[in-house]
Amino acid sequence: EDQVTQSPEALRLQEGESSSLNCSYTVSGLRGLFWYRQDPGKGPEFLFTLYSAGEEKEKERLKATLTKKESFLHITAPKPEDSATYLCAVRPNFGNEKLTFGTGTRLTIIP
Amino acid sequence: GAVVSQHPSRVICKSGTSVKIECRSLDFQATTMFWYRQFPKQSLMLMATSNEGSKATYEQGVEKDKFLINHASLTLSTLTVTSAHPEDSSFYICSARDPDKSYTFGSGTRLTVV
Repeated sequence: EDQVTQSPEALRLQEGESSSLNCSYTVSGLRGLFWYRQDPGKGPEFLFTLYSAGEEKEKERLKATLTKKESFLHITAPKPEDSATYLCAVRPNFGNEKLTFGTGTRLTIIP
Repeated sequence: GAVVSQHPSRVICKSGTSVKIECRSLDFQATTMFWYRQFPKQSLMLMATSNEGSKATYEQGVEKDKFLINHASLTLSTLTVTSAHPEDSSFYICSARDPDKSYTFGSGTRLTVV
């Protein structure tokens, strides 16, 4: 069974304090790992898709990396507007197009 | 980028009534859409996969007679919560595979059953 575990569950950082969020996964062949941002009362907003170990993608203050067992979302010099829940999801090689989501990391950036 | 429009954003209904939620892909065609349910401070739980022109595939434990899904066109899927009860109150979100091979989500529908 595919599993996605995110840590920490919640993270509070001072503005400008860099950190990383972790997404560990177990899947029968990875077809894609996805990162989303979700604000309260909204649907998830797409950030990145990673396909193979060693791949990295960046967008503004965010950088996502991927290994064979986990992915990291690095946030550099965060701002209060980066406060949100960050969700990780995997799509396996086999079966249909379903995504399996982790429980998310609630990130709070304190001014 | 791809846009998925979901309506309504909020709905309050009386216990025993039915509620329909619409999910539209605005600038692309989606043969497959997904319906999720999310409880407060929890992650997304997939309820069903909606396939254009065929029956939806429901996840284990999801009552197909309570959550009716129709995907009548390549741009529209609907979720109808039938005979709603307070325990059906939740945040419902749809998504679709977009042309960039990612998954675009709607803005969600907050359902409150009173």
